[in-house]
Amino acid sequence: GEDVEQSLFLSVREGDSSVINCTYTDSSSTYLYWYKQEPGAGLQLLTYIFSNMDMKQDQRLTVLLNKKDKHLSLRIADTQTGDSAIYFCAASNQAGTALIFGKGTTLSVSS
Amino acid sequence: EAGVAQSPRYKIIEKRQSVAFWCNPISGHATLYWYQQILGQGPKLLIQFQNNGVVDDSQLPKDRFSAERLKGVDSTLKIQPAKLEDSAVYLCASSPHLYEQYFGPGTRLTVT
Repeated sequence: GEDVEQSLFLSVREGDSSVINCTYTDSSSTYLYWYKQEPGAGLQLLTYIFSNMDMKQDQRLTVLLNKKDKHLSLRIADTQTGDSAIYFCAASNQAGTALIFGKGTTLSVSS
Repeated sequence: EAGVAQSPRYKIIEKRQSVAFWCNPISGHATLYWYQQILGQGPKLLIQFQNNGVVDDSQLPKDRFSAERLKGVDSTLKIQPAKLEDSAVYLCASSPHLYEQYFGPGTRLTVT
């Protein structure tokens, strides 16, 4: 089945760019997602990309997809302390319905 | 637009007791999901409903977990009897179509 891997921690300074990386195993995943989870809260959908796209930009967020290498990244420009959270990468399962999540990357932003 | 509602937000029970969680999805969303998120891990799908029918319950431990979605709106997830390893956050999500899922705040279950 699908497996999604992420690095566990990332630490950046306020104002820098953050890049969170993710790899997945199932090339048939139709959609790939980034979710944000703040302490004690549910998951907030940040953005998603269809598998036939290479890039998607939404304000400070840029998603890059390398389908050949099954690699997904999320770049946050001008990172702020409010961006500190856990970021989850997710891929749609083979049926294209439910999501398979990575273990999450904890982003720590220092001022 | 109101988000996905879940209750209770926190629950502490002893092992072998039973517990139930409730979810009210976003109005009009036909698809509803229950996920289990163990501390330090990503959410794992337990069950998916399309209206009031089950689409996928392959990862639901059916000997102790059950879920229903009467009338295709609200849903309840029950655990009976609970084990220590069931301690987790139970997340409900709903979706208007295949490629967007919106999550509720979750119910944090502690089994002692």
